[in-house]
Amino acid sequence: EDKVVQSPLSLVVHEGDTVTLNCSYEVTNFRSLLWYKQEKKAPTFLFMLTSSGIEKKSGRLSSILDKKELSSILNITATQTGDSAIYLCAVEAYNTPLVFGKGTRLSVIA
Amino acid sequence: ETGVTQSPTHLIKTRGQQVTLRCSSQSGHNTVSWYQQALGQGPQFIFQYYREEENGRGNFPPRFSGLQFPNYSSELNVNALELDDSALYLCASSASGRAEETQYFGPGTRLLVL
Repeated sequence: EDKVVQSPLSLVVHEGDTVTLNCSYEVTNFRSLLWYKQEKKAPTFLFMLTSSGIEKKSGRLSSILDKKELSSILNITATQTGDSAIYLCAVEAYNTPLVFGKGTRLSVIA
Repeated sequence: ETGVTQSPTHLIKTRGQQVTLRCSSQSGHNTVSWYQQALGQGPQFIFQYYREEENGRGNFPPRFSGLQFPNYSSELNVNALELDDSALYLCASSASGRAEETQYFGPGTRLLVL
């Protein structure tokens, strides 16, 4: 059975800190790994990763995939209170739907 | 805002009742996927519709059923509601069912079953 595990499940940091969120997966016929940010209801798309070792960056957020280790990390530098959210990792395999992890709840305090 | 809308936003039902949730996909998108997100969990795939046909189903019982209309909007129907059906129901639309086409999520319908 396909599985996605995220760690930590929750995290509290101070504004300005750098955080690293982890995602590991066990999937047959891996196709892509996606990161989403969920603040209130709708998850919003952050990154899609398909190739190992290539960092994707958007502002203070960056992510990289390690296909050998079957994992990905999401980094957020200089955190702000607006970064407080649940960060979801999802993996897609060929001909199967997205499998999500439970998410990491990040709280950034001023 | 992704252009994906869902209705209603909140709903309270009692055990045994039936519910219909609705989703309008983003313009130009022909694929709608439905997910159930229980409290403290990630979204779980229910099923996907592509051009009005079911195109994959997750591990949900037959009392979860769906429809997609010619305008690509979609409905999720749940019969014989159980307490464990209480969750946030999300729909996501994409231009096709392929991974390289990003799925855009709607704001969800929060269902409470008493």
